[in-house]
Order: sequence, then C-alpha cells, then structure tokens
Amino acid sequence: EGLLVESGGGLVQPGGSLRLSCAASGFIFSTSRMHWVRQAPGKGLVWVSRIETDGSSTNYADSVEGRFSISRDNAKDTVYLQMNSLRAEDTALYYCVRESLRDFDLWGQGTLVTVSS
Amino acid sequence: DIQMTQSPSSLSSSVGDRVTITCRASENLYTYLNWYQQTPGKAPKLLISAASSLQDGVPSRFSGGGSGTNYTLTISSLQPEDSATYYCQQSYARPTFGQGTRLEIK
Repeated sequence: EGLLVESGGGLVQPGGSLRLSCAASGFIFSTSRMHWVRQAPGKGLVWVSRIETDGSSTNYADSVEGRFSISRDNAKDTVYLQMNSLRAEDTALYYCVRESLRDFDLWGQGTLVTVSS
Repeated sequence: DIQMTQSPSSLSSSVGDRVTITCRASENLYTYLNWYQQTPGKAPKLLISAASSLQDGVPSRFSGGGSGTNYTLTISSLQPEDSATYYCQQSYARPTFGQGTRLEIK
C-alpha cells in the first residue's frame, strides 16, 4: 500500500529557508512521480511541485517558481522540497503525495510550515 | 492554468439523501478528473479517478460522471460518515484543485 512521512516543517521568519523531507516506504519509490501539495489553515488544496521518477523533470506552481526546488534521492526513497525566500503566504500544511496514473493515490499526513516574525 | 469551479461551496443534507457536487473546468479535461474526500485533521483520500473509476474500498454509493468541462460526484444515499470536504482535481495539465465543497449532515 505504501506510507509517506513528511518532516522538516516549523516556524521560520519571512525571507528564511526550510527544507522539507518525505520518506517513502512500502512501494517502489523509484517508479513513482512525486508531488508536494499544500493547504493553508482553513483553506483548500493547492498543488506546489512535481518531480519525475528519475528527477529529470520538475514543475512548479507560479507562486513558488524560482523560490522552491524539488529533488529526490531514489537510493534513500526520499523526496525533498527546498523552500527559500519564504513569505507569510507560504504558511500551510505541506503534503507529500504519490502520483498513480494521473491521480494522487497516496498522501502523507503533512508537515506544518509557519512563516512569521 | 486550468481553473476548476466547484458548486455548491457548501451544503447540508440528511441521511439517506442523494447529493450531487459539480465541478466545471475552464477547458476540456478529457476525463482527467479526480475526486477527493477530506475529513478534519486528515489528509485527503482519493475517491474517484478518471472521472468515474471508483477506488478500491470506496463505498458504491459514491459515483462520478461527466466529460469535457463538466463533472459530477454523486452520493446516492448519504451516510453520517460522509460529512467531509470534497475536492475535484484535474490532471490533464499542471494539476489544479477546485475550491472544495463542505458537506454537512443535518
């Protein structure tokens, strides 16, 4: 079935950086396209970024393009999200998500990022 | 990006009612449309993929339909545990979600 466990969230000042990690288990990670989706408190779901199975291709939402960077280490079954130049509007619960046949079939429990002075 | 508009944004219905949530896209999705259920404090759960394919373990009272730019999620006989927020999501292009529909059980 699979399990995704996010870590790395926390409180950071505006302009600061944070790196989120997502450890995968229970499935063949190297064959899965992975995504990050975020949800601001009390708000809806917003797609953030995607990385191809081998890391050769990445995509970003316009709101994070140039500030966030997604990567993966298939030897460690882990996907990362490096977040730089953080803004208050980046405050959200960040979910790591597995893609399967163009849908999001496995979600982690999320890691909370709070950007505040 | 493709814009997704869900309606209604919230609704309240009784146990046993038939409920339909609508999702409209700003362009043709060719059935690359998924539905998720989220209960408070939990991660979203995939209910339906490719517009009408029910995921394993999802009760058969849930069904999805539609084509082109218009899609629906229907719950045939509402149960108390269906109280949740429902999101549509398109996977035809860079992923986008609808704004969500909060379903309350009277």
